Amino acid sequence: DAGVIQSPRHEVTEMGQEVTLRCKPISGHNSLFWYRQTMMRGLELLIYFNNNVPIDDSGMPEDRFSAKMPNASFSTLKIQPSEPRDSAVYFCASSTGTSGHNEQFFGPGTRLTVL
Amino acid sequence: AQRVTQPEKLLSVFKGAPVELKCNYSYSGSPELFWYVQYSRQRLQLLLRHISRESIKGFTADLNKGETSFHLKKPFAQEEDSAMYYCALSTSGTYKYIFGTGTRLKVLA
Repeated sequence: DAGVIQSPRHEVTEMGQEVTLRCKPISGHNSLFWYRQTMMRGLELLIYFNNNVPIDDSGMPEDRFSAKMPNASFSTLKIQPSEPRDSAVYFCASSTGTSGHNEQFFGPGTRLTVL
Repeated sequence: AQRVTQPEKLLSVFKGAPVELKCNYSYSGSPELFWYVQYSRQRLQLLLRHISRESIKGFTADLNKGETSFHLKKPFAQEEDSAMYYCALSTSGTYKYIFGTGTRLKVLA
C-alpha cells in the first residue's frame, strides 16, 4: 500500500488563481482530514470527513476554501482565489474506525506557494 | 475550549543528553494523547500514544492528569532523533485531533 497519496507535491501559483489539491486516502479508511502546516501556527485542522460526509469544517479559514469528497477514494481541497497568506504545506490524513483515538496516517503533503 | 500547548518551538541538546519535550493540554474530559514525529523529508507519523504505555525508539511519555501534561522524554538523545515533534489530543465523541504547534528537536554531535 502506497499510503495516503497527495498531488501535486509542489504548487506555485499567482495570487488570484484557483488552486486544487488532491488526496487519495488509504483504502478502507473511512475518515479523512485536511490540515495546514505553517511555521507560526503549526498543524491546523481545516476539515474532516467521515464516510465521505463533512463532519466539521470549522477550521476552514474563509469562504475561499472549499473541500469535497465525492467518493471513498478521493478528496479535493480548493482555494479560490488564492492569496499569498495561503502559502503553507497542506496535509491529508486518513484513519479507520469510529473513534478519534485511532492513528491517523498522513500523506507527504503539498507545498503551496502563492506569489 | 480544548487546547494543546507546546511551549518550545526549538530545543537543542547534545548527543547523549536527556531530552524532555513539553506538552500541556486543556480538556475537561478523558483525553487520549499522542506524540507524532516528522523526520526530515518523511511523513508525519505516530510515535506513541499514552494508552499504549510503551517505549518507542527510547521515548516514553506519561499522562499526568493532575498537571494536564504529556511530556515526551528520552534519557540519551541521538542525532537521528532530530525532527519535528507534535503533541496531539483526541477528545471523546469526535474523530479529530487537536495538535500543538510543534517543537523542533535538534540533537548536536
